[in-house]
Amino acid sequence: GDSVTQMEGPVTLSEEAFLTINCTYTATGYPSLFWYVQYPGEGLQLLLKATKADDKGSNKGFEATYRKETTSFHLEKGSVQVSDSAVYFCALSKAAGNKLTFGGGTRVLVKP
Amino acid sequence: GAGVSQTPSNKVTEKGKYVELRCDPISGHTALYWYRQSLGQGPEFLIYFQGTGAADDSGLPNDRFFAVRPEGSVSTLKIQRTERGDSAVYLCASSFSGSGSPYNEQFFGPGTRLTVL
Repeated sequence: GDSVTQMEGPVTLSEEAFLTINCTYTATGYPSLFWYVQYPGEGLQLLLKATKADDKGSNKGFEATYRKETTSFHLEKGSVQVSDSAVYFCALSKAAGNKLTFGGGTRVLVKP
Repeated sequence: GAGVSQTPSNKVTEKGKYVELRCDPISGHTALYWYRQSLGQGPEFLIYFQGTGAADDSGLPNDRFFAVRPEGSVSTLKIQRTERGDSAVYLCASSFSGSGSPYNEQFFGPGTRLTVL
């Protein structure tokens, strides 16, 4: 079945550092790919998405590029802030039904 | 406007008891999803409704779990004979339509934390 694997956390870094969270997937066909974020005390929110190969999703300074050849969708941000501290989830869905398959989540802690 | 709401926010029950978890989706959203998130893990799909009908219930772990959406809006997830392993956060999400492409964003509720003692 479909699956998503992302790097385990926690990831601890200083403000203004570069952040990368690796995500790879296994799926038949052509899934859509997503990054969701869960801030402390809040619900899951969609951060960005890409629906086909070579698409780049971007939002709030975060970017991820859909790489079909490496089945990856790594999340990057050039300069993190304390407010980016959260748990980040990589996920995929197929068109029919759009149910999401999530990775295990990566906790990111940004220190001032 | 109002987001997805879930009640109760916390539920503590004893092993063997029956529980009901409620989800109020965003008004007008035809698709509704239930997920379960165990501690330290990502959410796992349980069931998806399109309108009143369960379009995909492949994620329900066993027949102790059941969900309904009788009028195509509010949904209730029902768990019979609860077990300690059912302890998790149960998430509900809704979207304008669950079918086809492009992807229709799912909006998540805050979840119900279920603890089975």
